[in-house]
Amino acid sequence: ETGVTQSPTHLIKTRGQQVTLRCSSQSGHNTVSWYQQALGQGPQFIFQYYREEENGRGNFPPRFSGLQFPNYSSELNVNALELDDSALYLCASSLQGVKSVEQYFGPGTRLTVT
Amino acid sequence: AQSVTQLDSQVPVFEEAPVELRCNYSSSVSVYLFWYVQYPNQGLQLLLKYLSGSTLVKGINGFEAEFNKSQTSFHLRKPSVHISDTAEYFCAVSSSGGSYIPTFGRGTSLIVHP
Repeated sequence: ETGVTQSPTHLIKTRGQQVTLRCSSQSGHNTVSWYQQALGQGPQFIFQYYREEENGRGNFPPRFSGLQFPNYSSELNVNALELDDSALYLCASSLQGVKSVEQYFGPGTRLTVT
Repeated sequence: AQSVTQLDSQVPVFEEAPVELRCNYSSSVSVYLFWYVQYPNQGLQLLLKYLSGSTLVKGINGFEAEFNKSQTSFHLRKPSVHISDTAEYFCAVSSSGGSYIPTFGRGTSLIVHP
């Protein structure tokens, strides 16, 4: 069984640029959630995708957007990067859409905005 | 809406000593409760969860937690810690009747000294 993978591991961007982060779900999972974890904080929910549709969104501006593909992998896109976007971005996969209780997390992508 | 308060940002303890990490939550509805562990430069791993039934929940690596509805608490305990337990621990709560998207606390850093 393959776990949740994320790419890249680290990246550095400049303020105003755009970034795309990628996530591959655990085998058999059809739901992906994205979280932002700032330094010294707990993860904050960005949004969730179930069967390629956005299925819930946290308190993040529209410049945070996402996609889920037919194979249930997912992308997180952030436009017009700001310094405060520097964080660890975590992807979590789960089964059965909104009724899924247990989430499996990937190792994260560390984004630094300068 | 739910919220989670982890009462200690850092807990130092000696190896083989017992430890308790405290978590209080606030919610107007029935909840599910979780504890996750995060090792340096890694994603989150589920330690244990409370969904229903017995209020004493046993998890991996010898950890357990007790759900106390009247005190709205879900404290994590281990009778004897090991150096390898040094990590960040997150308590999380989700509604039992919704999208199950967890709200995380800010984390407690457990530091085990030899």
